[in-house]
Amino acid sequence: EAGVAQSPRYKIIEKRQSVAFWCNPISGHATLYWYQQILGQGPKLLIQFQNNGVVDDSQLPKDRFSAERLKGVDSTLKIQPAKLEDSAVYLCASTTSVSVQRSALHFGNGTRLTVT
Amino acid sequence: DAKTTQPTSMDCAEGRAANLPCNHSTISGNEYVYWYRQIHSQGPQYIIHGLKNNETNEMASLIITEDRKSSTLILPHATLRDTAVYYCIVRVASNSGYALNFGKGTSLLVTP
Repeated sequence: EAGVAQSPRYKIIEKRQSVAFWCNPISGHATLYWYQQILGQGPKLLIQFQNNGVVDDSQLPKDRFSAERLKGVDSTLKIQPAKLEDSAVYLCASTTSVSVQRSALHFGNGTRLTVT
Repeated sequence: DAKTTQPTSMDCAEGRAANLPCNHSTISGNEYVYWYRQIHSQGPQYIIHGLKNNETNEMASLIITEDRKSSTLILPHATLRDTAVYYCIVRVASNSGYALNFGKGTSLLVTP
């Protein structure tokens, strides 16, 4: 099966600019996650979608970050305006949520954002 | 979610078994133990998970102590491609999906 697709692979912007990341999950996966991974740390959850509804966005900095999954498939994550501390790898993951036995998260290779 | 404690780094010779420990002394009865790994410049990759019993798949074995306060991930014959950061995570699984909270993991270096 095709994996989780993310684009772009790399992005360099100046602070206060805007940026958007795109994610296409594995076909049929109802649950989608966005994670932020700062260098040297483990991934940190930003937001979780179930189909096109938000399940958990408690760790999303809503003053500058937004995310949507309009048709329950693809998702975009936006940062506006970006700050230096937003430099990180942004990872998208998806999973079926039918049962524990099939609940492994499948990650894309991420978008590496550098804010200068 | 229960917190986990892992060594920061470990070395292993190629061809030998790599045994990665994880302490989760505050784990609850319905929390699963998950292991993921992250190879450089890639997203995390699922390895294995378990609740009470030991588990084995094509990638690794998971040994969970009887009191469930610790576990060990075993890579039976480590190769250079197993060099990665290994994350041990405990989380309640449900049919509404779940999110994993990653710590800093163990950086495993497999040497020739």
